[in-house]
Amino acid sequence: QKEVEQNSGPLSVPEGAIASLNCTYSDRGSQSFFWYRQYSGKSPELIMFIYSNGDKEDGRFTAQLNKASQYVSLLIRDSQPSDSATYLCAVPNQGGKLIFGQGTELSVKP
Amino acid sequence: EAQVTQNPRYLITVTGKKLTVTCSQNMNHEYMSWYRQDPGLGLRQIYYSMNVEVTDKGDVPEGYKVSRKEKRNFPLILESPSPNQTSLYFCATRGSGRRTDTQYFGPGTRLTVL
Repeated sequence: QKEVEQNSGPLSVPEGAIASLNCTYSDRGSQSFFWYRQYSGKSPELIMFIYSNGDKEDGRFTAQLNKASQYVSLLIRDSQPSDSATYLCAVPNQGGKLIFGQGTELSVKP
Repeated sequence: EAQVTQNPRYLITVTGKKLTVTCSQNMNHEYMSWYRQDPGLGLRQIYYSMNVEVTDKGDVPEGYKVSRKEKRNFPLILESPSPNQTSLYFCATRGSGRRTDTQYFGPGTRLTVL
């Protein structure tokens, strides 16, 4: 099992819909979780981080963490074409190294 | 403004010609690392450094060297580049490598080795 797994997509949603991106991880001791957005050819940009079980909201973005089930998700409400990008889930391992998933490509259609 | 800078941003070179990609950060971060990103392979860590004069191999270190003589700089050295090192390279920094520290990326360097 990979340490951090994401569906590669592409995930296609219509403009205005909710996009739901999922990530599972293998280390039960993981304490912090990061979501990055990466536009094609650009560097990853941090958009959310979450440490505690439950939901964390920031504007149109909501991160949801369920440690018992070992998954973290990212919801994007009112999706816009400008949200079209690859979304990377990242989880630090016990040594502090940030482990990235392969990323989910999101396409928001006007 | 907190930032991570890389130079050059784009580079086309030939096989065997030594090159250095520089990385500099102004956030006083202890932890710095280099990644390469290739289609279908995701981000792969090349080398990382926990602090000055402390470096270690990541997942794909072959063909690369690094040094960390100052806290702010972490150059990536390709002594004899080969075409399979054609890739998009990112430098990244984190506070101290704690699991809760956020990681910030530089703008990237697109390298082509002919």
